Order: sequence, then structure tokens, then C-alpha cells
Amino acid sequence: QSVLTQPPSVSAAPGQKVTISCSGSSSNIGNNYVSWYQQLPGTAPKLLIYENNKRPSGIPDRFSGSKSGTSATLGITGLQTGDEADYYCGTWDSSLSVWVFGGGTKLTVL
Amino acid sequence: QVQLVQSGAEVKKPGASVKVSCKASGYTFTSYGISWVRQAPGQGLEWMGWISAYNGNTNYAQKLQGRVTMTTDTSTSTAYMELRSLRSDDTAVYYCARRGEGYYASGGYYYYMDVWGKGTTVTVSS
Repeated sequence: QSVLTQPPSVSAAPGQKVTISCSGSSSNIGNNYVSWYQQLPGTAPKLLIYENNKRPSGIPDRFSGSKSGTSATLGITGLQTGDEADYYCGTWDSSLSVWVFGGGTKLTVL
Repeated sequence: QVQLVQSGAEVKKPGASVKVSCKASGYTFTSYGISWVRQAPGQGLEWMGWISAYNGNTNYAQKLQGRVTMTTDTSTSTAYMELRSLRSDDTAVYYCARRGEGYYASGGYYYYMDVWGKGTTVTVSS
């Protein structure tokens, strides 16, 4: 069981928008920045979002992040088939003194 | 460009040890930490721990305490992760990742993993 809870899967049609939620607690998301990672099939994870809502250089603005209380959300607009991947949220847990990942969400672009 | 190059795949027997390397280039090695993350077949990401390349301070996941050691060699900009007493459920892809960091205005550091290696497959089988 992951400390951070994500839906196992989401799906949407090309061109549409999708959101992926990440739910935690005051010891992790509630008091720490959240980052998001994209893992395309057969590849290493890649940083998509850091500090809740900042995009590294090269990440298109179709990807966005937000946080409210003890939950965070990744948004993807203008879905493309190339966005099909597993997405993970992550943050520091101040009570456990460990980094925690969500269980991951598989995005299918129908 | 910033790059982390990991060592090649390993096959080990139960009870053995494995040491995976991660050579960094394109940045000042001692300015960042290195995280280690593993992924069992068909499973999610599991944080194993991290090490400061500046002072060697480590923080390990509780479940791996006593079996894992992370080290760095600043002369070669290389990080190492050694896992001992291997079991079949240690079979996984092992990733190193650069630990990006910042400082909260209210105090304390925050982290994220901004550059990842391609991964090293470790198979534990008799």
C-alpha cells in the first residue's frame, strides 16, 4: 500500500483533457512540495512537474500541476497517443523521514 | 548535457550481493545528491534512499536498512549502491536519479528527482 493514493488508470480520447489525482496527508503532501514523473513504456521515469506546478525546461505547457491541502493533481491537455504512460506523484514524508511515491496511474489515450 | 550512466545488467544468486554504479557528467557532482529507486517487474516505483555527494550523508528506506549501502567517489563523479543478502523479491530495475533541491522560505529543504539514469536490471535467481 502506497502512502500516496493515485487512481490505477485513467483514459481519454486524443485532444481531450485528463487529470490524475494524488492524495496524501499533512505529513507529506500537506506540508511538502509535490513532483510528478512520467514513465513511458520500457523507459526510465522523467521529471514532469516539480515544486507542485513548475515545469522543467522542455516539458510542454500541456502538462500542469496543482496542489490543494493534502491532494495534488496533474493535468494534461491536448492528449496525444505519445502521452500513454505511467504517471507517478512523489514527495517527502516528514513523519516517516522518507521519500514516498504514489502507486502510479496508467494513462490510456483511446 | 547532464547525464547519469549506469552499469550493466546483473544476475545474482540468492544470498549474494550486487553493486550498481552510476556515473554522473555535465554538472558539478558534489552540488547534488543521488537517489536510488527500484521497480520490480510490473510494479510501481520504490524509493530506496539517497546520498549527499557533498558530505556522504545517507538516508535509507526502513525496509532496506542493514542490507543497503550507498557511497560516492567524488574523484570519478560516481555513485554506488550495494545491496546484500539478495532475495528473489529484489529482482528489479534499479535507477539512480539526481536529487534536485531547494529551500523553503519557512525553512528546510525540499527535493525532487530531476535527471534519471536508464536503469540497471538485477535478476536474483537460483
